[in-house]
Amino acid sequence: GQNIDQPTEMTATEGAIVQINCTYQTSGFNGLFWYQQHAGEAPTFLSYNVLDGLEEKGRFSSFLSRSKGYSYLLLKELQMKDSASYLCALVNQAGTALIFGKGTTLSVSS
Amino acid sequence: EAQVTQNPRYLITVTGKKLTVTCSQNMNHEYMSWYRQDPGLGLRQIYYSMNVEVTDKGDVPEGYKVSRKEKRNFPLILESPSPNQTSLYFCASSLEPGLAGDRQYFGPGTRLTVT
Repeated sequence: GQNIDQPTEMTATEGAIVQINCTYQTSGFNGLFWYQQHAGEAPTFLSYNVLDGLEEKGRFSSFLSRSKGYSYLLLKELQMKDSASYLCALVNQAGTALIFGKGTTLSVSS
Repeated sequence: EAQVTQNPRYLITVTGKKLTVTCSQNMNHEYMSWYRQDPGLGLRQIYYSMNVEVTDKGDVPEGYKVSRKEKRNFPLILESPSPNQTSLYFCASSLEPGLAGDRQYFGPGTRLTVT
């Protein structure tokens, strides 16, 4: 089976940098996704890692270490609109499912 | 516009009254999936389909049925809804599961309440 852990809630201020961690225990997976979900809306794709290392996309970066069972999402220059839930998800080995963590709710204040 | 659509967006029904939530995608995606999202439990997969006429159970399939007669449509059927099926439901699709980086696109969600 797979177990994915994320902090439940985080708070930060506008302009700051925040790191959202995701740790997992799994027998194998085909990649790790980060999705953003505003309250009551659909999850939207943010980033994908399959190899160890950092992927950068504008204000958002994601890091993966397979040996440590660890990923993080880094959000820079925070804006109020970044207030949302951030979901870490593993692709199972068969490629048939995304296994989601429970998500981290980020609140950005001015 | 490339999208996944779901209908209805909101539904209040009573225990035992059969209902169908429709899902359609216009991206010619092979893969489609249904999830439910509950507070404190996150998104959990109900059923998925790798292609037309190919469906399989996810983690929480009890009380649900699906069909995939056409590539673009993947309806979710609740034959006899119960209050524990009150939830927010998302349909998703992707081009080719197993392909590195194949991301899932989610529909807008259907909020179902069963009384």
